Amino acid sequence: NAGVTQTPKFRILKIGQSMTLQCTQDMNHNYMYWYRQDPGMGLKLIYYSVGAGITDKGEVPNGYNVSRSTTEDFPLRLELAAPSQTSVYFCASSDSSLRAYNEQFFGPGTRLTVL
Amino acid sequence: GDSVTQMEGPVTLSEEAFLTINCTYTATGYPSLFWYVQYPGEGLQLLLKATKADDKGSNKGFEATYRKETTSFHLEKGSVQVSDSAVYFCALIYQGAQKLVFGQGTRLTINP
Repeated sequence: NAGVTQTPKFRILKIGQSMTLQCTQDMNHNYMYWYRQDPGMGLKLIYYSVGAGITDKGEVPNGYNVSRSTTEDFPLRLELAAPSQTSVYFCASSDSSLRAYNEQFFGPGTRLTVL
Repeated sequence: GDSVTQMEGPVTLSEEAFLTINCTYTATGYPSLFWYVQYPGEGLQLLLKATKADDKGSNKGFEATYRKETTSFHLEKGSVQVSDSAVYFCALIYQGAQKLVFGQGTRLTINP
């Protein structure tokens, strides 16, 4: 199993551009998450999904959109990129069954710079 | 609201030293507690967990005990190695919930 994969690893955007960060998991997890990690800070939840077709906002959703058309994929869309969105983005997934104790599995991250 | 507070970093130790990274939490119920580790250039990995009071999580020589009376989950290791250099995150979650609450992370550097 590859686990959680993310593409791209690095990206530089100009202000106002848009892009999609890709996330795929092969563990058949129904929960998926997007976090951002700013320097010296913990992770903040952007959006999450409890299953295909269901998404919900986290702490910091402004400026982002998500969709969940399949169990495996959970892309994050940035519209009109701003310097405040410069961050490292992590995708994660988890099994919702009670025995799993909500352990989340993380991808390697996408480092995004907006200039 | 629920929150997690970790000791300020960075922490620098010599190899074979004893490590403690403090973590305290504020929660209205009885969450599960986790320590995640982030090695340079990588995503977070679960290091250990505890799901109820007095549980001890352990992995790779690291230990942490869920102390309800002091709302703490301090991470300890008896003899650190250079390979333990990483950022460590304490986190909590309620059973059945979706949102992990993270501390701000503690950067640990071990010198040979």
